[in-house]
Amino acid sequence: DIVLTQSPGTLSLSPGERATLSCRASQSVGSNFLAWFQQIPGQAPRLLIYGASSRATGIPDRFGGSGSGTDFTLTISRLEPEDFAVYYCQQYGSSPWTFGQGTKVEIK
Amino acid sequence: QVQLVQSGAEVKKPGSSVKVSCRASGGTLSSYTISWVRQAPGQGLDWMGRIIPILGIANYAQKFQGRVSITADRSTSTAYMELSSLRSEDTAVYYCARDYYDHSGYFVPLGYWGQGTLVTVSS
Repeated sequence: DIVLTQSPGTLSLSPGERATLSCRASQSVGSNFLAWFQQIPGQAPRLLIYGASSRATGIPDRFGGSGSGTDFTLTISRLEPEDFAVYYCQQYGSSPWTFGQGTKVEIK
Repeated sequence: QVQLVQSGAEVKKPGSSVKVSCRASGGTLSSYTISWVRQAPGQGLDWMGRIIPILGIANYAQKFQGRVSITADRSTSTAYMELSSLRSEDTAVYYCARDYYDHSGYFVPLGYWGQGTLVTVSS
């Protein structure tokens, strides 16, 4: 199974700042099939990015994904109040699909 | 607009089984896969398995193999996840999620999610 390790565990930032979240895979993710999800407490996860860098429908362009192989990054260019949440990376290049353990972005 | 509507919360005894449903409205199940993902209290997301309804083929994460069964009824656009031999560690919110294809025909995983179903396992 592909293990995804996210860092940092928690990111403390202020609104308007830039957030950079990392996701490292234990082996290369096939076809860069790497997605990012946002989860607000009490809600279902929401897909942000798929294919490492494509934004899902309706996702603002302040969210950007990059990377390939084993190293991937989610960048939020300017944090809005509604962006403080937990973010998960997920690989769907090989079965079983797996998730990272999550990065919490909290208000500083 | 695609919506996935899940069945209500359940309380189960250890050793019993639970079956959670996920009905798709505003679209069909047939052409897309449905995954089940669970989240224990305060924990992260755990992919359990997925089904291709048009083929009736499911595959499962190894940790759930032998205890989970994912099925689909195309006539009612409903997918099901049944988990047996329940233990307290299975207490979690269970989500169904559906894939789609973007305007370029590119596969998009887990683009639509159900609201979640809380399953509590307690004696």
